[in-house]
Amino acid sequence: DGGITQSPKYLFRKEGQNVTLSCEQNLNHDAMYWYRQDPGQGLRLIYYSQIVNDFQKGDIAEGYSVSREKKESFPLTVTSAQKNPTAFYLCASSGGLANEQFFGPGTRLTVL
Amino acid sequence: GEDVEQSLFLSVREGDSSVINCTYTDSSSTYLYWYKQEPGAGLQLLTYIFSNMDMKQDQRLTVLLNKKDKHLSLRIADTQTGDSAIYFCAESIYTGKLIFGQGTTLQVKP
Repeated sequence: DGGITQSPKYLFRKEGQNVTLSCEQNLNHDAMYWYRQDPGQGLRLIYYSQIVNDFQKGDIAEGYSVSREKKESFPLTVTSAQKNPTAFYLCASSGGLANEQFFGPGTRLTVL
Repeated sequence: GEDVEQSLFLSVREGDSSVINCTYTDSSSTYLYWYKQEPGAGLQLLTYIFSNMDMKQDQRLTVLLNKKDKHLSLRIADTQTGDSAIYFCAESIYTGKLIFGQGTTLQVKP
């Protein structure tokens, strides 16, 4: 099955701890994206990567970091510098003719 | 800057047609998209339309694009309770990124 996987589905962390969210795709897509979604709001872009070993900040990159060492993987680290990390995090990849993005199932992060 | 706007809520009766509207600002958008999100899930791509088209039909879904007014709509025929979800409109911009609207919550009453 081709698709995007995110793990874990739910994540609980104490305030002040760094946490890494996993995103893997087997669609052979070059571009990958991380979004944050808060209740009742749309998607806000955190980071994106158009090719391996390269990535750019999105609209709300502060307090987050990423790496893109492999085409299939784009992990997101939520650092202790992120002031309000509790949210639903969505990963996506794109590579089709219409540049359409395909999404993973999301990770809900709760900071206690 | 780029912006995409949608109305926040729509309520229809089962069997009726639903029309969800969206306006966008970037006239250079090449593609426009509709996504569906069910509670606690990721976004599912429903359909997309190329900017030089006026209409696209895919089974119960009809997308209309008015490029002059920068207005996009999604019509769902014979709306079912399983269509209850949040629907997002998005436009592609020159960097390859997508700009999403806030989402329209569709409530389908039996």
